[in-house]
Amino acid sequence: DQQVKQNSPSLSVQEGRISILNCDYTNSMFDYFLWYKKYPAEGPTFLISISSIKDKNEDGRFTVFLNKSAKHLSLHIVPSQPGDSAVYFCAASHGSSNTGKLIFGQGTTLQVKP
Amino acid sequence: EAGVTQSPTHLIKTRGQQATLRCSPISGHTSVYWYQQALGLGLQFLLWYDEGEERNRGNFPPRFSGRQFPNYSSELNVNALELEDSALYLCASSYLDRGLGGYTFGSGTRLTVV
Repeated sequence: DQQVKQNSPSLSVQEGRISILNCDYTNSMFDYFLWYKKYPAEGPTFLISISSIKDKNEDGRFTVFLNKSAKHLSLHIVPSQPGDSAVYFCAASHGSSNTGKLIFGQGTTLQVKP
Repeated sequence: EAGVTQSPTHLIKTRGQQATLRCSPISGHTSVYWYQQALGLGLQFLLWYDEGEERNRGNFPPRFSGRQFPNYSSELNVNALELEDSALYLCASSYLDRGLGGYTFGSGTRLTVV
């Protein structure tokens, strides 16, 4: 059962434009969401997160939006830069259960063209 | 500050053999997490160790096991290797639970079973 889904395996955008990466989830108990970025031959690195009590969190060029009614979150990158080309994973947790576990989506490969 | 280090970087084993993967967490981090990333899939939670104890395990068979040492480093053992165990194995560490920033991942061990 895939509780976190990233339905777009890949996305290609032009440098300077907006990149929008999407993520859907099924478990309404998730209370914390994160985005990770992964370059080849490296481990994922934390990018930005959002608590379920918020609907938006912004950090520089990166903004995450959460729509709880639709069980959907998105990551906006503005403006996109070639160095943003990587695999992006969304992840969710149910913190109150203290499972130590993040549920990851399959990832979306972003290519930013110069 | 040294990051999460994993060894070896690559490991090739024959079906039926045992594999041992190692992880050194960031200094001060007491929790260590293991994830499997098979080709084309997201990260799947394997195990969580904290203060030397196994706190949680994912939906993997018992031939996946591990331990955490007094210095908080950790080992993942995979017995009776099967071809489908070929994957990237990622270790992450954090202080206490996940913290607001999630985990810090290592670069992973690429296990190939032939």
